[in-house]
Amino acid sequence: DAKTTQPPSMDCAEGRAANLPCNHSTISGNEYVYWYRQIHSQGPQYIIHGLKNNETNEMASLIITEDRKSSTLILPHATLRDTAVYYCIVRVMQAGTALIFGKGTTLSVSS
Amino acid sequence: GAVVSQHPSWVICKSGTSVKIECRSLDFQATTMFWYRQFPKQSLMLMATSNEGSKATYEQGVEKDKFLINHASLTLSTLTVTSAHPEDSSFYICSAILAGGTDTQYFGPGTRLTVL
Repeated sequence: DAKTTQPPSMDCAEGRAANLPCNHSTISGNEYVYWYRQIHSQGPQYIIHGLKNNETNEMASLIITEDRKSSTLILPHATLRDTAVYYCIVRVMQAGTALIFGKGTTLSVSS
Repeated sequence: GAVVSQHPSWVICKSGTSVKIECRSLDFQATTMFWYRQFPKQSLMLMATSNEGSKATYEQGVEKDKFLINHASLTLSTLTVTSAHPEDSSFYICSAILAGGTDTQYFGPGTRLTVL
């Protein structure tokens, strides 16, 4: 699976949009971009995934550049409960393939 | 959404004893489950892949005789830490893939193991 690069930490004010970047310059054509987050002492939570089109769900939006070498996760109105470690992972959508976690970005939302 | 549970949520045991951790998919069937562990301030590390009805596949460096994995049904996988030692103290997390679904992994809440 392709490697990803994320900033180690980011800060965001409550109510503002949080934009979390991820670089995946070696991504292959059949690899998806997945985003998960882990709140302290809990299991990771699925947020969103995409292949090449931008995606939106009730939690967040995923913007993937046209060359697919980078992406941005957008939390439109961050709350204190969004404070967590956010992981960007690229992998082939293949049955039985595990997610491999990097170090992620620690997002701190403050009031 | 798909729910995965783990039991117990935390356990403290003496060195040399064995501990069993259960992972259940509550509202879906999972042909594949995964076990991870996470040390403080580190990321999740994949330990093994568990397929229903077959032997687990362990990652390099993970002792299969120490970390016994059983996936007896489509909703239950167990991890047994045998002869636990203080260095096995960690946060153990399982995940499951919805059979026939979108291949999204759903994670349990984790089990905190402390070996004295």
